[in-house]
Amino acid sequence: AQSVTQPDIHITVSEGASLELRCNYSYGATPYLFWYVQSPGQGLQLLLKYFSGDTLVQGIKGFEAEFKRSQSSFNLRKPSVHWSDAAEYFCAVGAMEYGNKLVFGAGTILRVKS
Amino acid sequence: DAGVIQSPRHEVTEMGQEVTLRCKPISGHNSLFWYRQTMMRGLELLIYFNNNVPIDDSGMPEDRFSAKMPNASFSTLKIQPSEPRDSAVYFCASSFRLAGGLDEQFFGPGTRLTVL
Repeated sequence: AQSVTQPDIHITVSEGASLELRCNYSYGATPYLFWYVQSPGQGLQLLLKYFSGDTLVQGIKGFEAEFKRSQSSFNLRKPSVHWSDAAEYFCAVGAMEYGNKLVFGAGTILRVKS
Repeated sequence: DAGVIQSPRHEVTEMGQEVTLRCKPISGHNSLFWYRQTMMRGLELLIYFNNNVPIDDSGMPEDRFSAKMPNASFSTLKIQPSEPRDSAVYFCASSFRLAGGLDEQFFGPGTRLTVL
């Protein structure tokens, strides 16, 4: 069965510090990988996606993610966090073999200290 | 583009009442998804449609929940009768399913449902 694990429920970083949010997936197929961000009271917004090709993907707001097939991971990174990045972040995985639905992780809540 | 539109944004109702949530997907998208988000269970897929046809409704909690998509521009999620445990934020999302591919889903702002 498909599953997505985000091992960190909460992460707190200082403004200006670097950030890495972890995502591990369990899929028997070639995955399509996504990171979404949700601000309080809002819907989910896509940060970046990986389908194929270069395993380092650039997204909006200065975020990037790296696909590592050997580790079944797709970790999200940002070199310098801004206070406005405080939100909840969701990793999602899909595969054509399972239709076009996505499986979402439980989310990681990011807090930014000033 | 206006994005995915959901109405109402907030709904407060009493147990036993019928609740109807509405969604207008992005024009040109051919897939539509209904999700429920709660603190306890996170984001759950309830049902999704391709070309207005329900494909997977395995996430619908029970017979009290039903969803329809009468045309490419409109979908409803109905709960009858509603119960307090249905209180959650319900999201609608749409995407364009590529032939032989899969693409991102665009989410609406959600409907916050409170059942008293």
